[in-house]
Amino acid sequence: QVQLVQSGAEVKKPGASVRVSCKASGYSFTSYGISWVRQAPGQGLEWMGWISAYNGNTNYAQELQGRVTMTTDTSTSTAYMELRSLRSDDTAVYYCARTAVTAADYYFDYWGQGTLVTVSS
Amino acid sequence: SYELTQPPSVSVSPGQTARITCSGDALPKQYAYWYQQKPGQAPVLVIYRDTERPSGIPERFSGSSSGATVTLTISGVQAEDEADYYCQSAVSTGPVVFGGGTKLTVL
Repeated sequence: QVQLVQSGAEVKKPGASVRVSCKASGYSFTSYGISWVRQAPGQGLEWMGWISAYNGNTNYAQELQGRVTMTTDTSTSTAYMELRSLRSDDTAVYYCARTAVTAADYYFDYWGQGTLVTVSS
Repeated sequence: SYELTQPPSVSVSPGQTARITCSGDALPKQYAYWYQQKPGQAPVLVIYRDTERPSGIPERFSGSSSGATVTLTISGVQAEDEADYYCQSAVSTGPVVFGGGTKLTVL
């Protein structure tokens, strides 16, 4: 069965960086992309960006350009999201999600369990 | 960028039908998708391509589309359906947009 297993909770100080991992299993890793979606406490879902596991192409949300980097390691079927220059409003649960992207479709059919990132001095 | 608008809350009694709407100017041209999120859990895809139901999702969940509005319908609502529901749409080049979410309360 398809599974996405994320790394554990993180506590960071403002200005620091965080890297969250997402290990995929149960499907051909390079046949899908991986998106990252975050959810601040009590708030809705916010798309952060997408990476193709096939060729490494990325597409980041405009408001995070310059602070976020998404990568993949096909040898271990793992995706990574690094967010730099952390601020208090980056405190959120970060999800990875398997992404189906075609000319007509763009959706998330399997999700990781989420990783809480807390930014606090 | 564009927006997707959902009602903040919907309330129904068990066994009744819940309808959650999502409006956006791009919806006539793009598919919509629906996710269910229960407290402390990751979202789950319940409807894709406006009307399609993934395997494992109960038949009481259905989707429809009319112009700039898509609707998630839950027939015969059960207590376990109480959750937040999000619509989502996108073009193939992004960005991805989520609606603000609707809290479904089963009375």
